[in-house]
Amino acid sequence: DSGVTQTPKHLITATGQRVTLRCSPRSGDLSVYWYQQSLDQGLQFLIQYYNGEERAKGNILERFSAQQFPDLHSELNLSSLELGDSALYFCASSVEPTSVSGNTIYFGEGSWLTVV
Amino acid sequence: EDQVTQSPEALRLQEGESSSLNCSYTVSGLRGLFWYRQDPGKGPEFLFTLYSAGEEKEKERLKATLTKKESFLHITAPKPEDSATYLCAVQAFHTDKLIFGTGTRLQVFP
Repeated sequence: DSGVTQTPKHLITATGQRVTLRCSPRSGDLSVYWYQQSLDQGLQFLIQYYNGEERAKGNILERFSAQQFPDLHSELNLSSLELGDSALYFCASSVEPTSVSGNTIYFGEGSWLTVV
Repeated sequence: EDQVTQSPEALRLQEGESSSLNCSYTVSGLRGLFWYRQDPGKGPEFLFTLYSAGEEKEKERLKATLTKKESFLHITAPKPEDSATYLCAVQAFHTDKLIFGTGTRLQVFP
C-alpha cells in the first residue's frame, strides 16, 4: 500500500458526461501528480500541483481540469467525455516537487474509467 | 525531446532463469531514473531510483544499473511472483514529471 488513495476505483459513464476523480496523497506529501494510462500508450503525465498551486502541465486536454484543495486532496474533472477517454487514471504524490528534493513519486491504485 | 525506450516488450522466463531488461533514454540533463513494477490493474510500485552513471541498487532478486545512455534491470533466479510489467521512467532537471517507457511485460513460469 503506497498510502495514496484514489476514488472511485471503477467508473462507467456515457459519452458527453462529466466525472470527478478524487485523490488523497500520502500523509505529509504536498505535491500531487495525475497520469493517464491507456492500452495503446504508456503512462502520460497530465498535471501537477504543489501545495495548492498548479506547478506543471503536460498532455492534458482542455476538457480536463484539476485542482488541489487546502487539505491537499486533489480532484481531476473530466468533461464532455469521449470513448477515447477510457483509461486508467493514476494519482501520485511526493513530499515536495521532486526537482527540488529528488523525492520518490508514489502512485495510487488508479481509477478505471470506461466511457460507453 | 526526452524519451524512454524499453526492450524487450515481453519476456518469458523459466523459474530460475536469470535475464536483464533494458531501458534506453535520451533526456536533456538526467536528474533521476526510476524503476517501477506494475501488476495488472494496479498502480506502479516503486522499486529504485538511480541518479548517476555507475550507480547500482539491489532489492531481493532485482538489481538496477545505470550508464549515461541506458539502465538495466537484472533479475536473478526469478520466481513466478516476479511476473509483472516493469516500467522505467526518467526525470529531467528542468521538470518534476516522470517520462515513462511502455514497459517490459515479464512472465516467469514454474
